[in-house]
Amino acid sequence: EPEVTQTPSHQVTQMGQEVILRCVPISNHLYFYWYRQILGQKVEFLVSFYNNEISEKSEIFDDQFSVERPDGSNFTLKIRSTKLEDSAMYFCASSERGRPNYGYTFGSGTRLTVV
Amino acid sequence: RKEVEQDPGPFNVPEGATVAFNCTYSNSASQSFFWYRQDCRKEPKLLMSVYSSGNEDGRFTAQLNRASQYISLLIRDSKLSDSATYLCVVNGALTFGQGTILTVHP
Repeated sequence: EPEVTQTPSHQVTQMGQEVILRCVPISNHLYFYWYRQILGQKVEFLVSFYNNEISEKSEIFDDQFSVERPDGSNFTLKIRSTKLEDSAMYFCASSERGRPNYGYTFGSGTRLTVV
Repeated sequence: RKEVEQDPGPFNVPEGATVAFNCTYSNSASQSFFWYRQDCRKEPKLLMSVYSSGNEDGRFTAQLNRASQYISLLIRDSKLSDSATYLCVVNGALTFGQGTILTVHP
């Protein structure tokens, strides 16, 4: 079964540092997403990406965040100047078609710990 | 009112039991509905879409009530492996519910 792959599985960074979280979506999928889940809380939508541009973003996705598809396979989330409250599990997801009618495949996540 | 609300549970049921979860949503224009399951510290996995006419997948039945703005998930003949958090998702995974914890015990 095709998978969404995320690396690293766990990232520890110091407050104020920049981090890049990496994702390889399923190869024939065209829509890509980032979510975060703070421990014990619900999954929160951050951003969706289609055709090399952001299609939707939430209030959480402020200037601190950016996304990029640097080549034909990777999809990255960059967090500039990390804060303690950025500590969370970050999930990448992809789908073959856009919302609203299709479920998404999620990667196994990157646990980000900001110290 | 929260966009998507679920009873957080936990629901503790014996193997073989039937259990049902509800989820209410606030946006009457919502178009798509899903149930995902999430195991502890794992990613959400799509369980099933929820169609207007209701749909069934093995032991799982999903229903949509647009008039009352809720969806439901019924699990029959519960298995130990059904223990997880069940997430109600609206509008193509734009909005997740908090999740309902299910524990199935022997």
